[in-house]
Amino acid sequence: SQQGEEDPQALSIQEGENATMNCSYKTSINNLQWYRQNSGRGLVHLILIRSNEREKHSGRLRVTLDTSKKSSSLLITASRAADTASYFCATDAGNMLTFGGGTRLMVKP
Amino acid sequence: GAVVSQHPSWVICKSGTSVKIECRSLDFQATTMFWYRQFPKQSLMLMATSNEGSKATYEQGVEKDKFLINHASLTLSTLTVTSAHPEDSSFYICSAVRGASGVDGELFFGEGSRLTVL
Repeated sequence: SQQGEEDPQALSIQEGENATMNCSYKTSINNLQWYRQNSGRGLVHLILIRSNEREKHSGRLRVTLDTSKKSSSLLITASRAADTASYFCATDAGNMLTFGGGTRLMVKP
Repeated sequence: GAVVSQHPSWVICKSGTSVKIECRSLDFQATTMFWYRQFPKQSLMLMATSNEGSKATYEQGVEKDKFLINHASLTLSTLTVTSAHPEDSSFYICSAVRGASGVDGELFFGEGSRLTVL
């Protein structure tokens, strides 16, 4: 079920620009994960941030977590056309994984 | 909104038995469904892509004879864990694509099925 909320639902940017996606959730969590879905493929895990972490980097990805606001953001810097995909956040509360509705990112060359 | 239902939500079985998990898209047709598993405190891992009317595509390292996938209709995909062992205990989740596949299609998730093998 889509219990988390992501915004924007869709984002279109030019190559080279940064893309920021946000995720909000409702319950306490152990960790929050970001996934990417490429065209016609299943989810690919991007990054996991634990509840006691505030920021994490992986290549051109930067994830922040604010547990007081129950929100997270995913920043993709210097975007490329190949970054075009849907991005999902998922919260792990220990007993199940709950996904947000996803953000569709379109990066124009 | 679109709903994807998984059944059962949790199951406990004895070692050596087979367990079937169903994934249904309740209000839309899904030609493509995905199956994932998640070990405790780890991320979700794609097991296979299930396509209606054709054989599933398995990810590297996933035994197709161990995890049987059947996508017999546009609203139902099943995952059967054959001769289950304790190491198969995990959280299994499916997702279904509504509309066109990929970026143009919307992805909806089931609530997951927790398997415990004794």
